[in-house]
Amino acid sequence: QVRLEESGGGLVKPGGSLRLSCVASGFTFSDSYMGWVRQPPGKGLQWVSYISGDSGYTKNADSVKGRFTISRDDSKFALHLEMNDLTAEDTAIYYCARLQWQIPQNYFESWGQGILVTVSS
Amino acid sequence: QSVLTQPPSVSGAPGQRVTISCTGDRSNIGGGYAVHWYQQLPGTAPKLLIYNNNNRPSGVPDRFSGSKSGTSASLAITGLQAEDEADYYCQSFDVSLSAVFGGGTKVTVL
Repeated sequence: QVRLEESGGGLVKPGGSLRLSCVASGFTFSDSYMGWVRQPPGKGLQWVSYISGDSGYTKNADSVKGRFTISRDDSKFALHLEMNDLTAEDTAIYYCARLQWQIPQNYFESWGQGILVTVSS
Repeated sequence: QSVLTQPPSVSGAPGQRVTISCTGDRSNIGGGYAVHWYQQLPGTAPKLLIYNNNNRPSGVPDRFSGSKSGTSASLAITGLQAEDEADYYCQSFDVSLSAVFGGGTKVTVL
């Protein structure tokens, strides 16, 4: 079965950086669009970023553009999110997700358990 | 402020039917992009509940159904059960291929 496991979260000071990782199993990782969705404490879901199976296409939400970079290492079945210039508004649980990609029917098919990122001095 | 609009909460007695609306515009739902629904039980990760407007993944009870019309969509839960108490989110894409979510609806079983 599909398994997604996030790591790399924790406490970071404002202006700092953090790198999240997600290791995948149970499906053909290299063929899959992958993404990140976050959830601030007590709030709703916010899409953050996604990347195509061949890494040729990436897209970020406006709220993280220029600060966050998504990447993947298909040899290690791993997805990454490099987060820079972090602010308190980035505090959230970050979920790794597999996307089903068939425009106009794109959706988040499978989700990891999530990892908490806290930005605070 | 979420791109898709959902009611913050709905409630119903066990066995009743409840519906959750999800309203977008011509750049997302009305532009032909499908609507999908996720269920988030307390303290857990979201789970895909309905995809492509009205399809249920394997294992999702047929008490859950979805529909879409114009710039809106709805999720219906018939025969409401205590275990359905959760947050529900709608999701679509827009013309710029950004994923968009609703603000979430908390379902309470009275």
